[in-house]
Amino acid sequence: ETGVTQSPTHLIKTRGQQVTLRCSSQSGHNTVSWYQQALGQGPQFIFQYYREEENGRGNFPPRFSGLQFPNYSSELNVNALELDDSALYLCASSFWRSGGTEAFFGQGTRLTVV
Amino acid sequence: DQQVKQNSPSLSVQEGRISILNCDYTNSMFDYFLWYKKYPAEGPTFLISISSIKDKNEDGRFTVFLNKSAKHLSLHIVPSQPGDSAVYFCAASGDSGGGADGLTFGKGTHLIIQP
Repeated sequence: ETGVTQSPTHLIKTRGQQVTLRCSSQSGHNTVSWYQQALGQGPQFIFQYYREEENGRGNFPPRFSGLQFPNYSSELNVNALELDDSALYLCASSFWRSGGTEAFFGQGTRLTVV
Repeated sequence: DQQVKQNSPSLSVQEGRISILNCDYTNSMFDYFLWYKKYPAEGPTFLISISSIKDKNEDGRFTVFLNKSAKHLSLHIVPSQPGDSAVYFCAASGDSGGGADGLTFGKGTHLIIQP
């Protein structure tokens, strides 16, 4: 059973504002990844954190940033919000290099930028 | 540049029959493939995976087949049940799935099981 929880579940922000999304990883997992899922699309990889450092990044601009804390929880920060940032943001936790690790996803945060 | 493609946005199958979901990929560096299932208002749930050193992996009603030469994989569900109605995502990864490049997902196929 997945133990990944995300908050908040829904959020409405105005263009130009900043937003912070939170994720609590499944117990025992030390790696967290963030994904953006636009309507009608598959999830798109934003970045991954391991041992509190970013160690992989997809094709997203620097205004997307993150943090991982010692308890493996994580934050996704997005600055200067644009309308196209409206999407479902998914957090996934896994165990680093377990040999074919499968990521466990949270339920997501639905962000609407107006 | 879509590296993982699911060309069928939706698929309707009668209960009890076989459901076959298809996925194609273009990146030869992918060596690990996964299927996720997603219900509305929930995050994707891992279903089954396969390494590129295998051509088949089976788990209960679910079987994934990998054809490396064709860069094609498929998920078979037998028999299909009403609870299988969901969106299915194909995903791929390099570095045996543990790498820092994340998972590359297709757009998903909405499977509808008809009673």
